[in-house]
Amino acid sequence: SQQGEEDPQALSIQEGENATMNCSYKTSINNLQWYRQNSGRGLVHLILIRSNEREKHSGRLRVTLDTSKKSSSLLITASRAADTASYFCALRHMDSNYQLIWGAGTKLIIKP
Amino acid sequence: GAGVSQTPSNKVTEKGKYVELRCDPISGHTALYWYRQSLGQGPEFLIYFQGTGAADDSGLPNDRFFAVRPEGSVSTLKIQRTERGDSAVYLCASSLGPLANTGELFFGEGSRLTVL
Repeated sequence: SQQGEEDPQALSIQEGENATMNCSYKTSINNLQWYRQNSGRGLVHLILIRSNEREKHSGRLRVTLDTSKKSSSLLITASRAADTASYFCALRHMDSNYQLIWGAGTKLIIKP
Repeated sequence: GAGVSQTPSNKVTEKGKYVELRCDPISGHTALYWYRQSLGQGPEFLIYFQGTGAADDSGLPNDRFFAVRPEGSVSTLKIQRTERGDSAVYLCASSLGPLANTGELFFGEGSRLTVL
């Protein structure tokens, strides 16, 4: 079952604006990862944040994690048309060294 | 290889036929995963290999689905007596080892299966 939930399900913004996507979960996690998927094909790893971290940056990406609220957010700053994709959060459960639990994703559309 | 390779990229078959999907992971990656993804959904776990053995096959939906990895590298997902509900994108991913050590998965481009 999918225990990660992203919101919004879909997001459409103008190029140059910031995009924020959220992920909520119910279990105890070791880490949380964000992936991007273009056109329903392969997923690409973007960033990983561990349960003892609160914020992480990578280029135009900023991820936050609030374990007390069991939620994470992914911020993409200065969005570009090439950022159009679906974005998924994936949780590594505390009790598993291999299993990732996936959400249903946020579909992001950047309008030029 | 440079990345995870999956073949075929697209497969159209008739209900009741047998299908094999192949995954060639990144060289040296001992962990290999199969996922299934339907439109608008996240990846659904099917099976996890550590080396040659299936460490967890709890996600396989029924006994029509089977996967092997005989030499600890290439894996084949086999689907017998295909049904229309099997239509989906089948994703393969690999990692250096269990996620406790490495964190991220590397995905192939997927095999889109359509059962008519």
